[in-house]
Amino acid sequence: GAVVSQHPSWVICKSGTSVKIECRSLDFQATTMFWYRQFPKQSLMLMATSNEGSKATYEQGVEKDKFLINHASLTLSTLTVTSAHPEDSSFYICSAAPGANVLTFGAGSRLTVL
Amino acid sequence: AQKITQTQPGMFVQEKEAVTLDCTYDTSDPSYGLFWYKQPSSGEMIFLIYQGSYDQQNATEGRYSLNFQKARKSANLVISASQLGDSAMYFCAMREIRSGGSNYKLTFGKGTLLTVNP
Repeated sequence: GAVVSQHPSWVICKSGTSVKIECRSLDFQATTMFWYRQFPKQSLMLMATSNEGSKATYEQGVEKDKFLINHASLTLSTLTVTSAHPEDSSFYICSAAPGANVLTFGAGSRLTVL
Repeated sequence: AQKITQTQPGMFVQEKEAVTLDCTYDTSDPSYGLFWYKQPSSGEMIFLIYQGSYDQQNATEGRYSLNFQKARKSANLVISASQLGDSAMYFCAMREIRSGGSNYKLTFGKGTLLTVNP
């Protein structure tokens, strides 16, 4: 089946540093990918839609300059958390649609900012 | 307004028994899709089942079936013959399909934590 690979699975960083998370579609092309954020014991909230070759579309309340998204190829989208702070600690998970009515998620990236 | 409502924060079921996880939704779009995902403690989101708004029959995938009642706007997940490995968080999600293009943005419910007891 279609696989979405996400890296890294875990990342710990110091406050003020930037962290990049990669999301790859391994066996299909994805012109669109989706980035979600999940706080402990809560649901997934869509942060932004990543569009290949164009700007990402951010959901209301999500800071564009804080969460930089780049979708430079049909198989790779990256999310960069800039100047991370402890409140950015969360589970970030990406998804892509390999076909109609199928949405596959990556395994997620757990970010801890010290 | 909340688009996906899962009223059961937690559910318990005995191994080998069936369990129903509730999900109601709200949309004015005539075309939409409903998904159920399982999230074990590892965090990955595992796709279980999909129901399209125009599908005439309830979706089934192995031990999973979706009790789709369109008029009531409900899409309950039924898990038959529960197994210990079914213990996880379960999320209902909706995709509102806009005309003129694909849209795979999902809106998730708050989830139900299912615990299967031996």
